[in-house]
Amino acid sequence: DQQVKQNSPSLSVQEGRISILNCDYTNSMFDYFLWYKKYPAEGPTFLISISSIKDKNEDGRFTVFLNKSAKHLSLHIVPSQPGDTAVYFCAASESTSGTYKYIFGTGTRLKVLA
Amino acid sequence: DAGVTQSPTHLIKTRGQQVTLRCSPKSGHDTVSWYQQALGQGPQFIFQYYEEEERQRGNFPDRFSGHQFPNYSSELNVNALLLGDSALYLCASSSTGRGAETQYFGPGTRLLVL
Repeated sequence: DQQVKQNSPSLSVQEGRISILNCDYTNSMFDYFLWYKKYPAEGPTFLISISSIKDKNEDGRFTVFLNKSAKHLSLHIVPSQPGDTAVYFCAASESTSGTYKYIFGTGTRLKVLA
Repeated sequence: DAGVTQSPTHLIKTRGQQVTLRCSPKSGHDTVSWYQQALGQGPQFIFQYYEEEERQRGNFPDRFSGHQFPNYSSELNVNALLLGDSALYLCASSSTGRGAETQYFGPGTRLLVL
């Protein structure tokens, strides 16, 4: 039973355009969400987070949107750059007694074309 | 400021053997989580250590065990290795008790079981 799903295995975008990566979850108890990007042969790098008390969080070129009723979140990258080419993972957790155990999606491979 | 470090970077073992992987958390972090990432999948939560105790565990058998030391570094031990244990093992550190936890990952240890 996959509680966090990234249904698009891959995405190609032209440099300078917007990249939109999607993530769906099934557990309504999830209340904290993270996005990571991963280059080959490296560990995941934290990008941006969002708490369930918000519906949007912005950090530079990265914006995460959360739709709790749809159990859906998305990561927008504007403008996309060739260096953004990587695999992107979303992760979700419920804060049980202040502890966080993250469930990850299977990732979306983003390719930004120059 | 050193990030999360892991050793070794690569390891080859044979079925039935035992392996120990090591992790040093980011400076100022006191919590260590371990994840297993199989090829083409997202990281899967193994367990989390805080104050030298295992406080959360994922769906992994008892062959997977760990330890946290007073300096917050951690070890992951896997006994009776199976071919299916071949994966990238990731360590993530975070800081408990300072609000929602963002986890920062190390580069991982790639384990190959033959």
